[in-house]
Amino acid sequence: GENVEQHPSTLSVQEGDSAVIKCTYSDSASNYFPWYKQELGKGPQLIIDIRSNVGEKKDQRIAVTLNKTAKHFSLHITETQPEDSAVYFCAALRRWRYKLIFGSGTRLLVRP
Amino acid sequence: DTEVTQTPKHLVMGMTNKKSLKCEQHMGHRAMYWYKQKAKKPPELMFVYSYEKLSINESVPSRFSPECPNSSLLNLHLHALQPEDSALYLCASSLAMSEVIFGPGTRLTVL
Repeated sequence: GENVEQHPSTLSVQEGDSAVIKCTYSDSASNYFPWYKQELGKGPQLIIDIRSNVGEKKDQRIAVTLNKTAKHFSLHITETQPEDSAVYFCAALRRWRYKLIFGSGTRLLVRP
Repeated sequence: DTEVTQTPKHLVMGMTNKKSLKCEQHMGHRAMYWYKQKAKKPPELMFVYSYEKLSINESVPSRFSPECPNSSLLNLHLHALQPEDSALYLCASSLAMSEVIFGPGTRLTVL
């Protein structure tokens, strides 16, 4: 069935360091991969996404990479700041489907 | 306007109560969603409306009843809920089938 595995479940980094979160998907028909940031008591916020025809996408301090052959995609946050502390979810979406398949989440803590 | 709004922010109800959650977006999105999120878990899809028609029901119990009065509004009617239904209920919308934008959620407690 459709499944997205996300690692690590928790990640603690020093302010200014980089953070990397990795996801693996099972459905080879998936073609859209968003990342959400969820702060305590708030709804998930779409922070970056990538489509299957692109290998990498950057937006300031965040970037996402996609390896379609290996069915891996990763979120990279550089120069982390305390306000980056949150739970991050990856997800995958199959073409012509509405249902996002979410990873289990990564709790990122950025220590000042 | 680039956001999804939800009311109320918090709701406490008894198991015999009837209440409704409301969601609104003015981004011209044609798909609207209800998700349920338990603590420390990812969101779980409940319902999808596409062009104001129910497109997906993820086998949700009938005590949850969705309604889409028009392309900007989405309601979730609640009746005879159980304590295990306590959760964060998220509304979301999207223009196409991707770039799903979530609202802030309604924190529901069932006593």
